[in-house]
Amino acid sequence: DTGVSQNPRHKITKRGQNVTFRCDPISEHNRLYWYRQTLGQGPEFLTYFQNEAQLEKSRLLSDRFSAERPKGSFSTLEIQRTEQGDSAMYLCASSPPGSYGYTFGSGTRLTVV
Amino acid sequence: DAKTTQPPSMDCAEGRAANLPCNHSTISGNEYVYWYRQIHSQGPQYIIHGLKNNETNEMASLIITEDRKSSTLILPHATLRDTAVYYCIVYSPGGSNSGYALNFGKGTSLLVTP
Repeated sequence: DTGVSQNPRHKITKRGQNVTFRCDPISEHNRLYWYRQTLGQGPEFLTYFQNEAQLEKSRLLSDRFSAERPKGSFSTLEIQRTEQGDSAMYLCASSPPGSYGYTFGSGTRLTVV
Repeated sequence: DAKTTQPPSMDCAEGRAANLPCNHSTISGNEYVYWYRQIHSQGPQYIIHGLKNNETNEMASLIITEDRKSSTLILPHATLRDTAVYYCIVYSPGGSNSGYALNFGKGTSLLVTP
């Protein structure tokens, strides 16, 4: 399967713990995006990478959130000191050079208890 | 990004055409109209996009009015698998107001019935 892969699919964590999610984009895609989606809402933009450079971050990305894409391939999204309000689906998407048609992964569903 | 307005929900009988409207009255000249859909528990899926002209692909047709203030996504023969939330998004890649973010809104929940 050459789609966007996200791991894990589900994560349950206790409040205050740190969590990390991984996204493997389609191999020739140089653009990578993270979105968050809460129940009943559309996805909300978090951050954007072009190759390894993080070019845009949303106001939603608080100091507890950090994203990396160290070699311009896979990306990680870390949430420190999780709060119940962080419970959501975290979606990763990628797109190739010259195109803005995203391909999304199936997401990581985070539940903070 | 210009904001869009979509009905919260619609029904369509299987085999019939599903016509999903979208208003984007404040769209600017360099903004495209994109449509995505999201089937339950999956990530959004790109359907189609256009600037001024009508567009058609294997999934759907996109009809954009001449003044570009509204558009309609047409699924010509809806099937049960087309039941999903459909998002209409106006977007200018790298635009000064939007950067690279897609503003999904709440979309239209389409239910295709047997």
